[in-house]
Amino acid sequence: EVELVESGGGLVQPGRSLRLSCATSGFSFGDYVMSWFRQAPGKGLEWVGFIRSRNFGGTTEYAASVRGRFTFSRDDSKAIAYMEMNTLRTEDTGVYYCSRGGRGVIAAEMFDFWGQGTLVTVSS
Amino acid sequence: QSALTQPASMSGPLGQSISISCTGSSHDVGGFDFVSWYQQKPGKAPQLILYHVNKRPSGVSDRFSGSKSDNTASLTISGLQAEDEADYYCISYSSSTLLDILVGGGTKVTVL
Repeated sequence: EVELVESGGGLVQPGRSLRLSCATSGFSFGDYVMSWFRQAPGKGLEWVGFIRSRNFGGTTEYAASVRGRFTFSRDDSKAIAYMEMNTLRTEDTGVYYCSRGGRGVIAAEMFDFWGQGTLVTVSS
Repeated sequence: QSALTQPASMSGPLGQSISISCTGSSHDVGGFDFVSWYQQKPGKAPQLILYHVNKRPSGVSDRFSGSKSDNTASLTISGLQAEDEADYYCISYSSSTLLDILVGGGTKVTVL
């Protein structure tokens, strides 16, 4: 059974950092794109970015709103994806989801499994 | 403002059908078949219900179907049931150099 579990959320002051983890099981983690989405309270879904599999260079893509502040990484040996969030802003507040993307270079082929989400609150 | 346009809300009586539109451009929805749809219920993570425009993952009801015409993709829910009340999002690949993935603003479906 495929499972994704996010952790690392919490309350953080503006300007500070936070690292989210997405622990997975039940599939060949190294073969898949891992993507991140977020959802501000009462708002719609927003794509944050993704990291491709090693087969496609492990390259990353970021939404404009987080580019230069967020960094994705992955540990294929542990089947965990990470998102390092720096210089956090109040508008980064929301529930953050990791999801499994496609197996090819086109990450948006589908996002077929999602974690339960972890809440990040940026506030002084 | 989302790059993909969806109606903010739609409603229909039990048993009826509704179609939710997702409008983009030739650089995304119109140019590729990498359109997927997600259902999200309150307090829950989104769930994939269609991918590649009209393919259903295993376990998804055949009351959900998809299509595409020009730059607009559509999700049709046939025979509306109470459990279909949820938010629905479309997602598409984009060939733009600035954006790889576009997400619709979401449509809240109410079953009357």
